Amino acid sequence: AQSVTQLDSQVPVFEEAPVELRCNYSSSVSVYLFWYVQYPNQGLQLLLKYLSGSTLVESINGFEAEFNKSQTSFHLRKPSVHISDTAEYFCAVIMNSGYSTLTFGKGTMLLVSP
Amino acid sequence: ETGVTQSPTHLIKTRGQQVTLRCSSQSGHNTVSWYQQALGQGPQFIFQYYREEENGRGNFPPRFSGLQFPNYSSELNVNALELDDSALYLCASSQGQADYGYTFGSGTRLTVV
Repeated sequence: AQSVTQLDSQVPVFEEAPVELRCNYSSSVSVYLFWYVQYPNQGLQLLLKYLSGSTLVESINGFEAEFNKSQTSFHLRKPSVHISDTAEYFCAVIMNSGYSTLTFGKGTMLLVSP
Repeated sequence: ETGVTQSPTHLIKTRGQQVTLRCSSQSGHNTVSWYQQALGQGPQFIFQYYREEENGRGNFPPRFSGLQFPNYSSELNVNALELDDSALYLCASSQGQADYGYTFGSGTRLTVV
């Protein structure tokens, strides 16, 4: 079985500052990794994913995440945040062999203030 | 291309009642998964349907059941509602079992009183 740990339940940051949201996973087999964003009273939107290839993946709105196999991490970063980035961010994994489903972390609330 | 649509958006039920939640998959998607997201928690996997058959289930009791129809839309049924069933219920569709392009709906907020 796999599990996901998001150590920070809340990350406050000022607008235009950089941010890192941490995600660590545990799995007995190799996994695929995802970051989802959830705005208030909405469902989940895929932000980015790592399936294979380059360990650095980017989203269209400036976020990036790097898969680190040795540290079993997939931290999310953005060099300069906007007020509109305020949302809940969920890291998720899925095993890349056989049948599997998404396993989510508990989420990190990113609070961007002026 | 339509996304995933869930109905109703909000629902209030009394403990012991039964509820049915509905989900229309994104066009071209044949796999539907249901998740329960309690307040302040990440989504928890309930079950998944592929071509009208349940092909995976999380740690939820049998009073949580589902259906998938030939048009790949789906229902989640919960019997004998308990207060702890209050949550946001999310539906996600994808193309095939090994496709990782999950598209989530906006969810149904269920409140059990």
